[in-house]
Amino acid sequence: DARVTQTPRDKVTEMGQEVTMRCQPILGHNTVFWYRQTMMQGLELLAYFRNRAPLDDSGMPKDRFSAEMPDATLATLKIQPSEPRDSAVYFCASGLVPGDEAFFGQGTRLTVV
Amino acid sequence: AQKITQTQPGMFVQEKEAVTLDCTYDTSDPSYGLFWYKQPSSGEMIFLIYQGSYDQQNATEGRYSLNFQKARKSANLVISASQLGDSAMYFCAMRVTGGTSYGKLTFGQGTILTVHP
Repeated sequence: DARVTQTPRDKVTEMGQEVTMRCQPILGHNTVFWYRQTMMQGLELLAYFRNRAPLDDSGMPKDRFSAEMPDATLATLKIQPSEPRDSAVYFCASGLVPGDEAFFGQGTRLTVV
Repeated sequence: AQKITQTQPGMFVQEKEAVTLDCTYDTSDPSYGLFWYKQPSSGEMIFLIYQGSYDQQNATEGRYSLNFQKARKSANLVISASQLGDSAMYFCAMRVTGGTSYGKLTFGQGTILTVHP
């Protein structure tokens, strides 16, 4: 049963620390997305990749966030330094374009104290 | 730019009744796909149903059907015979397959559905 895998599931960290979230997309999918979900802002697209190339990261605070796909089996989202306002659930999703597939991982719940 | 609008912040339905969740979209791209996701209180995002812009028939998946009206740019989700477990947040999303936003998945604000016994 193919699925998107995210690690860690939960992360509590102190302000100023570096946070790295990882995502293993579904094998064969050619698009990968990072979303942030908060009560106030809903689902925000932070970055997306097509065939591992970053296409749009306009939703991401560039001074502290970075997203990469070092290979087809791994996408990372890094926050350095983290701030309390970064507390949210971060979702990774992968999809196949063209096609009808776009699936989400379980999410990483980040709490910055 | 692509835009998805869900105008119903919250909806209520009686168990075993049908309910329609509204979604309208805006794009100039002729090739696109429309998705619906369910997010229960556990937080996971569950894919429900997909409709391609060139599909001639409305998509159906079990109790879920998508009422696709291309001229009106609407893609409403219909849940038949509601169950208590259908109580959740529902998101509509669109993905274009042309232009510079190829593959980008854009979401609406969501609708919270509450099913009453």
